[in-house]
Amino acid sequence: NAGVTQTPKFQVLKTGQSMTLQCAQDMNHNSMYWYRQDPGMGLRLIYYSASEGTTDKGEVPNGYNVSRLNKREFSLRLESAAPSQTSVYFCASSEVGASDPQHFGDGTRLSIL
Amino acid sequence: AQTVTQSQPEMSVQEAETVTLSCTYDTSESDYYLFWYKQPPSRQMILVIRQEAYKQQNATENRFSVNFQKAAKSFSLKISDSQLGDAAMYFCASIHNAGNNRKLIWGLGTSLAVNP
Repeated sequence: NAGVTQTPKFQVLKTGQSMTLQCAQDMNHNSMYWYRQDPGMGLRLIYYSASEGTTDKGEVPNGYNVSRLNKREFSLRLESAAPSQTSVYFCASSEVGASDPQHFGDGTRLSIL
Repeated sequence: AQTVTQSQPEMSVQEAETVTLSCTYDTSESDYYLFWYKQPPSRQMILVIRQEAYKQQNATENRFSVNFQKAAKSFSLKISDSQLGDAAMYFCASIHNAGNNRKLIWGLGTSLAVNP
C-alpha cells in the first residue's frame, strides 16, 4: 500500500540545470498537488491538477512546469534551476478535490548550488 | 486574500498533559473545511483531524479534538494526554475557493515539543 511515491528523495543540482520530480499515487485519486516547503514559509502550492488532463497554477508557479501524465502520475519540472528553488518539495493527492484529506509523499529535498 | 494564522510558532507540553494549538482563518465562504496536519521529524505530512464548517459538533479523533468557533473564525487543536510521539510541526489549513477549483490555504505551523 504505497500511497504517494515521490522520486528522487534527494537531489543536488547546479544553477541552470533542469530536472523532473516524479510523483505517483495508487489510490485512484482525481486531484494532485505540488507544494514547496521553506523554513518560516510553511507550505506553498506550486501547481495542482484537479483531474486528469487539467493543471492550474498555485501561489508560486514561476520557474516550474507540470504534467499530469495520467491519473496516477503528476510530474514537476524545473527548466533552469535557480538557488531560490532550493526547498523541500511535496506531492499530494486527494480523492476528489481540496475538501478531501490530502495524502502526501515523503518529500524531495532539492539543493541548487 | 484568504489567510490562515497560527500565532504560536513554538509550544511545549509535559508528557501526559494537555496542550492547545491556536488557529484563526479568514474566509468569505459559508461552507468550507478546516484541517490540522502533523509533520513529525520524518517530514511526512499526516492528517490529524478534519472539520466541516456546517457541522456544529467539534471533530474528535482519539486524543485529538478541536474547538471550532465559527463566528470567531477560530479552529484550535487540543491534544490530550500528550505523548512523546506527538512532537512535531502542526499545520492548520482551510479551504479556499478559487474560481472553479478549490485549494487549501496553509498556516505557517506550530512546532510542538513534548517534554518527558
